[in-house]
This record gives sequence, C-alpha cells and structure tokens, in this order.
Amino acid sequence: IAGITQAPTSQILAAGRRMTLRCTQDMRHNAMYWYRQDLGLGLRLIHYSNTAGTTGKGEVPDGYSVSRANTDDFPLTLASAVPSQTSVYFCASSSLAGVTHNEQFFGPGTRLTVL
Amino acid sequence: KQEVTQIPAALSVPEGENLVLNCSFTDSAIYNLQWFRQDPGKGLTSLLLIQSSQREQTSGRLNASLDKSSGRSTLYIAASQPGDSATYLCAGSGGSYIPTFGRGTSLIVHP
Repeated sequence: IAGITQAPTSQILAAGRRMTLRCTQDMRHNAMYWYRQDLGLGLRLIHYSNTAGTTGKGEVPDGYSVSRANTDDFPLTLASAVPSQTSVYFCASSSLAGVTHNEQFFGPGTRLTVL
Repeated sequence: KQEVTQIPAALSVPEGENLVLNCSFTDSAIYNLQWFRQDPGKGLTSLLLIQSSQREQTSGRLNASLDKSSGRSTLYIAASQPGDSATYLCAGSGGSYIPTFGRGTSLIVHP
C-alpha cells in the first residue's frame, strides 16, 4: 500500500441500507478526514479525527458516523442511506504539528449512488 | 469560520499563456494554504503547501504566493500546456484548524 486507499471504488445502494466506506493510510498520519464532493457545492467536510480514539464533526455530519480505532483506518458509516447521500466521497490524511494541520493527501474516492 | 473563494470558476486559455488563479480567504490567522489539482473522476493531488510564515512556494512551472494581510493566495502557471487542464482547488487552514476548500477553478488549455 502506498498512500491512501479507499474501498469500494463505486457502489449502488438501495435507500435504507447500511453502508461502510473504508479508508486506510500507510503514512502514519495523525489526522484523517472524510469529505463529500457534489457538483456546485465543492468539497464539504463530514467528519475528521485528529488522533486515534478521537473524532469530530465537520460541516455536514448528519446521517454519517465514523470511528478511529487505530492510526491507519478511518471507516465512514451510513446507518440508513438516503438519496441525498449520493455523492463522491474522499478520504484524506495529514500529519499534525501541534494544532496545525499539515499537507493533506487524498484517496481516489468512492462514488456512491443511493436509489 | 474560514471561508474560501476561488475566482474565476472557469478559465479557458491558449497553450503557452502564463496564467494566474486566485484564492481568497476570510480568516487572516491562517496557518497554511494548500493548492490541489483534480482531474475528472479522480482524487485530489497536492501541488503546493504554503505555511503562514512563508510568502511563496515554487514547483517547476508552478508558483504559489500567500498574502495574509489581503487574504489572498495566487497560483501562477507558466507556459501553460494542454496537460494542465484540470480543476484547481485551494484549501486554507485557519482558526478552526480544519482545512476549508474553495469550489475550484476549472482550467482548459487548448492547443
């Protein structure tokens, strides 16, 4: 593994189903993030984690949950998917210098369609 | 809360032209600003990161500047090529510490 991997690459999901998007990094970065990208709205932060064991809410957290059991993995769960969650989801990571977030690195994305 | 704006939203230029992309931010207590490139259907690729203590960074034909007092960053692309066609995004990390993105400038460089 080099950098950040995301799985699956794409998924079509029925509304109401539960779905977990996976993200793994091998750079030993403290901080990890989940963004969604929608046409006309840009990238919006869903949740983030500054270190293993802690998480925080971003701009659009409703309907999503995350966990950070270890440094490398940061899964994003949709408990009951709705069509408005159709989007492209990006995972990112960075190191931290004190409270400063350093250079971010992004995964290739997961394209999710909720019908 | 940090807000980031990128103007123009789209730009089309002939090959060989030097061009400037603009990024404005509201929180002058910015810690760093990062420029990314995104190709269609792909993830974001980091181009340059400028720390608040720096005024500019250079990588090849790219030069990014940061002016905290005016709340602006610019990405200068020299001698543009068709392969530079992509969407360019900037992200500022300010008082809330979490990077905030602009909506990007879609660049087309035509032969």
